[in-house]
Amino acid sequence: NAGVMQNPRHLVRRRGQEARLRCSPMKGHSHVYWYRQLPEEGLKFMVYLQKENIIDESGMPKERFSAEFPKEGPSILRIQQVVRGDSAAYFCASVGLAGETQYFGPGTRLLVL
Amino acid sequence: GDSVTQMEGPVTLSEEAFLTINCTYTATGYPSLFWYVQYPGEGLQLLLKATKADDKGSNKGFEATYRKETTSFHLEKGSVQVSDSAVYFCALSDPDRGSTLGRLYFGRGTQLTVWP
Repeated sequence: NAGVMQNPRHLVRRRGQEARLRCSPMKGHSHVYWYRQLPEEGLKFMVYLQKENIIDESGMPKERFSAEFPKEGPSILRIQQVVRGDSAAYFCASVGLAGETQYFGPGTRLLVL
Repeated sequence: GDSVTQMEGPVTLSEEAFLTINCTYTATGYPSLFWYVQYPGEGLQLLLKATKADDKGSNKGFEATYRKETTSFHLEKGSVQVSDSAVYFCALSDPDRGSTLGRLYFGRGTQLTVWP
């Protein structure tokens, strides 16, 4: 019974490159949340997706960030033209139905040089 | 808006000591409350939760009671172990907050270190 999977676990990018973070929810789960954890801070909501649908992206930065959750395959969080301030741990969480307990993946730790 | 305030860390205790980590919240509706634990290099694991006032969540010797009158959800454990060393996050989910059902609002986290 695999849990939420994220890859890569660690990602190093230089300024201006693109970062792609993947999240595979638990089996049977169709809702995914993405959160960002900056150093010494709690997690901050970024975006909430269902399959093929963005429900709420109010926590996403207005530029350079995008997310998708296709009918097949993992959810992707994409950061274009990364800057040093994007260095953080990015976690996804999945649920079967909205409002239920969220199960978190191990996170992707992004370092921008 | 919704927010969670939790006790600043770090907290350092000896094994078998009593633990309290304070958490208070602000919410527009009737939130569910959670404690998550994060071990080094890992993701968050749900430790316990409570969904309505006066509910007590408990797991692995940890307890927290949902106090609506004081808007608090303090985490307690009677006798900590070295293996409890981790970062603890208090969080809330406010079902009345528009379309983003289940969105979690987190506190900043409290680092706990337990020495043998």
